[in-house]
Amino acid sequence: EIVLTQSPGTLSLSPGERATLSCRASQSVSSSYLAWYQQKPGQAPRLLIYAVSSRATGIPDRFSGSGSGTDFTLTISRLEPEDFAVYYCQQYGSSPLRTFGQGTKVEIK
Amino acid sequence: QVTLKESGPVLVKPTETLTLTCTVSGFSLNNGRMGVGWIRQPPGKALEWLAHIFSNDEKSYSTSLKSRLTISKDTSKSQVVLTMTNMDPVDTATYYCARFDFWSGFAFDYWGQGTLVTVSS
Repeated sequence: EIVLTQSPGTLSLSPGERATLSCRASQSVSSSYLAWYQQKPGQAPRLLIYAVSSRATGIPDRFSGSGSGTDFTLTISRLEPEDFAVYYCQQYGSSPLRTFGQGTKVEIK
Repeated sequence: QVTLKESGPVLVKPTETLTLTCTVSGFSLNNGRMGVGWIRQPPGKALEWLAHIFSNDEKSYSTSLKSRLTISKDTSKSQVVLTMTNMDPVDTATYYCARFDFWSGFAFDYWGQGTLVTVSS
């Protein structure tokens, strides 16, 4: 059964800095079906990245995804005030059919 | 404009069955390689996928909750229904429905606002 482990649990950064979030899978992710979501307090998650590196509609290009197999990364090139939130990775296709990571909180330093 | 909205009870008692309805608009539940899933989030905790259903009626469930879940759709009403039996206080969570699409790598591209369900006697 595939498990997604996100690190770090919390990332303390200042606006303008670069954020690098990691998502590691316990086995290879099927057909590169790996997505990233952003969630702010009291809101539903929002899709940022799908298929490892494709930005969803309306997502600014400071967000980028990369990786393959079992190691994936979400990078925010320059943090804007609205980017401070919790980020989740999610895989599709490996048993169980869908899994979310436990989340990484990006907080203002 | 794609929208999804969850509805159902805000409070259920332990051992009762929860029935949640997701009413969608802006797309058809008959449309190609598309579908709707349910995800929950206990207060202060991470997201947990529960189940999903494709437009062709193919269904999948979380391994750990499979015995308690049933997902179905009524295309004429544009609704997807999730039932969860034998509710327990640990099932207290915000329950979301969300659309997924082949063209978005089966990721959840549109989400409902969520509905908080509390399990308590």
